[in-house]
Amino acid sequence: DGGITQSPKYLFRKEGQNVTLSCEQNLNHDAMYWYRQDPGQGLRLIYYSQIVNDFQKGDIAEGYSVSREKKESFPLTVTSAQKNPTAFYLCASSFAGGAETQYFGPGTRLLVL
Amino acid sequence: QKEVEQNSGPLSVPEGAIASLNCTYSDRGSQSFFWYRQYSGKSPELIMSIYSNGDKEDGRFTAQLNKASQYVSLLIRDSQPSDSATYLCAVNGWGFGNEKLTFGTGTRLTIIP
Repeated sequence: DGGITQSPKYLFRKEGQNVTLSCEQNLNHDAMYWYRQDPGQGLRLIYYSQIVNDFQKGDIAEGYSVSREKKESFPLTVTSAQKNPTAFYLCASSFAGGAETQYFGPGTRLLVL
Repeated sequence: QKEVEQNSGPLSVPEGAIASLNCTYSDRGSQSFFWYRQYSGKSPELIMSIYSNGDKEDGRFTAQLNKASQYVSLLIRDSQPSDSATYLCAVNGWGFGNEKLTFGTGTRLTIIP
């Protein structure tokens, strides 16, 4: 089955801890994205990558980091510098950037202990 | 700052009626437009994409685009209880700097049996 997988489904972070959210796709998509969604809010772009070994900051990149070492994988690290990390994190991918349709993974819900 | 505006709702529609969802956008250069459906606690799923002025129909769904007036709408005919969800409008443009989708905050739709 082709698709986008995210793990874990739920993640708990302790004060001062870095945590990494996984995103994998087998759709052969070039572009991948990370969004954050807060209750009652739209999606806000954290980081995006249009090609391996290259990525750009989105609108709310502070306190987050990413890597794109493989086409299939785009992990997101929520660092201790992100003071309000509780949110629903969504990974998406598309054949290319720009006007191409983005498809979403199932999401990871991050909670702070 | 590119903006996408949606009425947050909730919009209540009787079962079997037509639901009409509207979205306006600020960037006159926008070229691609998407409607996503998001059930509570789940990730967004693509309903429709539209790129040209006019109507595009897919089953019970019709997307309408008017670039001169900078609005895009989604009509749902013969509304079903399973259509109850939040509908997100997303807008993008072409070319450098337009690799990102901008999302509205969504309209919550409730279909009343």
